[in-house]
Parts: sequence; structure tokens; C-alpha cells
Amino acid sequence: RKEVEQDPGPFNVPEGATVAFNCTYSNSASQSFFWYRQDCRKEPKLLMSVYSSGNEDGRFTAQLNRASQYISLLIRDSKLSDSATYLCVDSGAGSYQLTFGKGTKLSVIP
Amino acid sequence: DAGVTQSPTHLIKTRGQQVTLRCSPKSGHDTVSWYQQALGQGPQFIFQYYEEEERQRGNFPDRFSGHQFPNYSSELNVNALLLGDSALYLCASSSERGTGARNTEAFFGQGTRLTVV
Repeated sequence: RKEVEQDPGPFNVPEGATVAFNCTYSNSASQSFFWYRQDCRKEPKLLMSVYSSGNEDGRFTAQLNRASQYISLLIRDSKLSDSATYLCVDSGAGSYQLTFGKGTKLSVIP
Repeated sequence: DAGVTQSPTHLIKTRGQQVTLRCSPKSGHDTVSWYQQALGQGPQFIFQYYEEEERQRGNFPDRFSGHQFPNYSSELNVNALLLGDSALYLCASSSERGTGARNTEAFFGQGTRLTVV
């Protein structure tokens, strides 16, 4: 069974802090990954795609380490609005299925 | 441009009943996937529909079935409801047109929250 593992948290960080989440995956053949953000009782929304070595978008940086089979998400200068659950997703290899981790909860504190 | 829309938003059913959930994909999308998200868990893949056919299925019993219509909208049917079926049911749409890619960006609807009592 292909799995994605995440630290559930919660991560409680002050505004302006830098926070990093890691996610491990078991399918060594997987080629691409995603980070989704999910607010309480809302739908997941795509935050970033991670296809090769990494991706950066403003305050957010995602890295992929194929040798160790993990993906990381770094958030710099945290905002109150970053408070959410962050879902790590494996898009699989030869599959149409997205495999989600259980999510990591982030709370940014004033 | 409407995104992915799902109906109803909330539903309460009794154990043993049947339920039908509906999804309209984002404009221009031809592929619909359904996910079940229990409280405190990540979404779990139920199945995916493309060209009106179920082309991949996750680890869910046959009580879960679906359909895709020519306009790409989709339904999820669950028979003989169990208490454990209580969850948020998410529909995601995507498009492979012109890309040939298997997992392009998926957009999720707001979900249907099903409570089985």
C-alpha cells in the first residue's frame, strides 16, 4: 500500500516565524507531489506543485529529496492567515489517484 | 467561471439508507474524482471517472458506485449506509486535454458533509 506520512502537529508559531514541515512517501516510483492547504471545514486548495528538485512561490518553498523519499514545505515570515492544515500529496506513478497524508496543522499566533 | 460545485452541502441519513451526491466539474475539465475525508484524516480516493467510465477505483466496497454524464458532471451513490460512512465527500475535477498527463492540478469542490445516524 502506498502511503504518505506527516507529523500531525499542531505547530504553534508566532507571526513572522519560519516553519518547516516534512512529509515522507513510500512509493519510490512517484514523480510528482503537491502541497494542499485546507482551512477548517473547507475544501483542500492547491498551494504548490513539486515536480523535480523543488519549487518556490513567494514565502513558500517546497523541496523534494528522492534519495530519502521526503518532501518539505518551508513557510517564511508566517502570517496569521497561514493558519490551516497542510496536506502532502503523492500523485503516484502509473496511477490516477492522489494519495494524501493526514495533514499537519499550523497555528500562527499574534 | 464557476469552480467545482457539489450538492447538497449537508445531508443527514439513517443507517441502511441510500444517498446520491452530485458534482459539476470546473469549466473545461473532463475528469472527476471522488474522495472521502473522515474527521482528522486526509482525503481517501474512492474512484475516478473519465469519458463516462470508471477508470480507477480505490479501496472502497461495491456499496460505493458512481456515474459520469456526457456533460462531465458526476454522481456518487452509496447504498446501505453505515455509521462509518459519515464524512466529508469531496469531488475533484481536472483536465488531461492536450497534456496526456495523468495527474494535472485537481480542483476540489466545497464538499458534501454526510452524517449517518
